[in-house]
Amino acid sequence: GESVGLHLPTLSVQEGDNSIINCAYSNSASDYFIWYKQESGKGPQFIIDIRSNMDKRQGQRVTVLLNKTVKHLSLQIAATQPGDSAVYFCAEVPSGFNFGNEKLTFGTGTRLTIIP
Amino acid sequence: NAGVTQTPKFQVLKTGQSMTLQCAQDMNHEYMSWYRQDPGMGLRLIHYSVGAGITDQGEVPNGYNVSRSTTEDFPLRLLSAAPSQTSVYFCASSYGPLALAKNIQYFGAGTRLSVL
Repeated sequence: GESVGLHLPTLSVQEGDNSIINCAYSNSASDYFIWYKQESGKGPQFIIDIRSNMDKRQGQRVTVLLNKTVKHLSLQIAATQPGDSAVYFCAEVPSGFNFGNEKLTFGTGTRLTIIP
Repeated sequence: NAGVTQTPKFQVLKTGQSMTLQCAQDMNHEYMSWYRQDPGMGLRLIHYSVGAGITDQGEVPNGYNVSRSTTEDFPLRLLSAAPSQTSVYFCASSYGPLALAKNIQYFGAGTRLSVL
């Protein structure tokens, strides 16, 4: 969306192709991860989540992969559509007490553009 | 179901002015949070609340006040606006803590604030 600017990594994908968006997280103690989609002028929207005891989780057209060894998370979107154009970012929650979601930490995001 | 509603959508303030950003949710969510989103940075937590009458500071609370007199409303007050508070502000709510019982955080559409 307009709130993230020129420094965002960008990815352009032809409509119908698959896309992979990557995220490196910093806290090895994180045990819950979320992917959000943010369309221009809108708030973030939950896409899919994964816990640290899993290495893969699938949703509708989306798959999240977690590699704890290298602290890496990826979001795969299959058969991309124009409506998939947005900024995607990951968020992490470390293990332990998280009283009010205050430990949720967001990445800066990747701008995905679907080329018709 | 309206979800999370933020008003106003846009606001321009002069340095030193005060104002209140409104946030309301109709999902009977206990948890509510305020974030700011700046170019090149992830969402940062300003204040959060885990129920009516209970609030706490997040990562960047200086210059902002909150209160939670009802479950539905969580206004954010700028006491004396500064140019550094130019940002996009998002309100979010969830039924409970993330990573527990499939709680999802829902975001409003944001308030775009410019302080001159």
